[in-house]
Amino acid sequence: QVTLKESGPVLVKPTETLTLTCTVSGFSLSNPTMGVSWIRQPPGKALEWLGHIFSNDRVSYSRSLRSRLTISKDTSKSQVVLTMTVMDPVDTATYYCARGMTDYGMDVWGQGTTVTVSS
Amino acid sequence: DIQMTQSPSTLSASVGDRVTITCRASQTITISLAWFQQKPGKAPKLLIYKASSLHSGVPLRFSGSGSGTEFTLTISSLQPDDFATYYCQQYNTYPYTFGQGTKLEIK
Repeated sequence: QVTLKESGPVLVKPTETLTLTCTVSGFSLSNPTMGVSWIRQPPGKALEWLGHIFSNDRVSYSRSLRSRLTISKDTSKSQVVLTMTVMDPVDTATYYCARGMTDYGMDVWGQGTTVTVSS
Repeated sequence: DIQMTQSPSTLSASVGDRVTITCRASQTITISLAWFQQKPGKAPKLLIYKASSLHSGVPLRFSGSGSGTEFTLTISSLQPDDFATYYCQQYNTYPYTFGQGTKLEIK
């Protein structure tokens, strides 16, 4: 069974750096047909794709957030890490990770983790 | 970036109705389009991939069609469990992009 689970702080202060971890099971992060995307959703708003890491560690980022994002992975731990710098209240959202498969898109999602940015 | 535009933004319908949601891409994405269903407080669920392929476990009343820049999601006979928000998403070109969502409400 494929599962993904996000973890990290519930509350961060403005200007701080957010670090979230996505722990996966049921598939390998070294599988060349699979990768992991991060997506977020502000309260009451639409989904926003943040970035994707491939099995070979190549990463693609959202153009608007590229300067603030870093996605990396530790294949041995089955974990993908998202860092976002200079957090602002507008970054308050539920953050999801999802498995991305070649030709299939994002087929399995984590439950999401809600992050509030407030002083 | 490729812009994805869904219509309508809100759709009111009754159980048993046939409904269609449209998604337009600002440039061609071949058939690299997915549809997701999201209920309040829950993660999105994949319904359709490659524009018209039904994801495992998804009821047959859901179908997708289209290619290039115009796509549709059709629910043939609405069930109470189908009232939710639906998103299209292109995965032809990075950065991936989502539509703004269509909220399907009970009439």
